[in-house]
Amino acid sequence: SQELEQSPQSLIVQEGKNLTINCTSSKTLYGLYWYKQKYGEGLIFLMMLQKGGEEKSHEKITAKLDEKKQQSSLHITASQPSHAGIYLCGADIMNTGFQKLVFGTGTRLLVSP
Amino acid sequence: SQTIHQWPATLVQPVGSPLSLECTVEGTSNPNLYWYRQAAGRGLQLLFYSVGIGQISSEVPQNLSASRPQDRQFILSSKKLLLSDSGFYLCAWSTWASNQPQHFGDGTRLSIL
Repeated sequence: SQELEQSPQSLIVQEGKNLTINCTSSKTLYGLYWYKQKYGEGLIFLMMLQKGGEEKSHEKITAKLDEKKQQSSLHITASQPSHAGIYLCGADIMNTGFQKLVFGTGTRLLVSP
Repeated sequence: SQTIHQWPATLVQPVGSPLSLECTVEGTSNPNLYWYRQAAGRGLQLLFYSVGIGQISSEVPQNLSASRPQDRQFILSSKKLLLSDSGFYLCAWSTWASNQPQHFGDGTRLSIL
């Protein structure tokens, strides 16, 4: 079974709409990364969260880590075609100082004009 | 600024042939280096990581091996490829300090025939 569950697996939204992607673990998330990947390409680092209740924003993307440090969400406001891609969460669930990460299977986002 | 290079971008190999994928990092010293494999529907799986020259940790038993002959060079190898070795291979680096994000290369798509 997957140690990090992402939902939804895929998402189609109309341009301008908001959306949320979730990343859930049964274990404590000592650190959590969000990445974006375009098909067949490498991962682009978006944000890193460490503390329970932490929230970070970059342009129209906001990521949160819940107080219990077992769930993170990624929220995109007023989506644009440039937001399309695969969003992956990666986490340190063994407290290795972010050296060993496990990843979710990703959420594929399509933004329709 | 730091950059990471992976090559080749794509590779088609027959079953039983050897493999060598190379990854180099520029603009930093003593990085942590990682090899991941991304298979459809299974997310990223950590294969190997290295905290220094000649220091390799293997995360999963498999048909592959890794070496780090120089500080900023990481090589993924196999003596005899299997069909199950097909996938998208990604190299990543992070600074030696704890709790720092990993940065990924553009990946190598390996197809085994």
